[in-house]
Amino acid sequence: DIQMTQSPSSVSASVGDRVTITCRASQGISSWLAWYQQKPGKAPKLLIYAASTLQRGVPSRFSGSGSGTDFTLTISSLQPEDFATYYCQQANSFPLTFGGGTKVEIK
Amino acid sequence: EVQLLESGGGLVQPGGSLRLSCAASGFTFSTSAMSWVRQAPGKGLQWVSSISGSGGSTYYADSVRGRFTISRDNSKNTLYLQMNSLRAEDTAVYFCAKVIVAGSYYFDYWGQGTLVTVSS
Repeated sequence: DIQMTQSPSSVSASVGDRVTITCRASQGISSWLAWYQQKPGKAPKLLIYAASTLQRGVPSRFSGSGSGTDFTLTISSLQPEDFATYYCQQANSFPLTFGGGTKVEIK
Repeated sequence: EVQLLESGGGLVQPGGSLRLSCAASGFTFSTSAMSWVRQAPGKGLQWVSSISGSGGSTYYADSVRGRFTISRDNSKNTLYLQMNSLRAEDTAVYFCAKVIVAGSYYFDYWGQGTLVTVSS
């Protein structure tokens, strides 16, 4: 199974800050990676797939990069509605696996 | 508008069974792969199972293989998850999710989730 390791597990940031979250796969997954945002009590929301493709309707302050084993999600200017938990997910092979999550908290 | 509505969750004793349903609308269900993803209380996301649009291909996490069965009825636009031999560690919110495009198992739409509690 491919293990997905996210870091940090939590980050405190202020509105307007640039936030970067990393995700590392235990083996190469090409660009088969997605990022999701989840708010408490809600379903996850797809932000980015294929490592860098922005899902329709997602603000352009979100961006993704990387390939192989190392990936990043960047929020260029943090907005109040962005405080949430973020997960990466590999879609290279079954079993599909998620990272442990990164909670973005208000500083 | 794409909608996914799960039902069937509840409290069940260890060793018991439960069937979850996910009613889909707003897209061509029969050509869309679907999945179940769960989230234990206070924990992260865990993929459970996926099924192709035709239902001819199914995939399972090792933790549920042999106990859970994913299926679909394309005439009813409904996805199912039959869960047998339930364990305490199966306690979670279960989400159904639509796969964005065949062969690319990213989840572009999710239901609101249904809570399954396994406890005596």
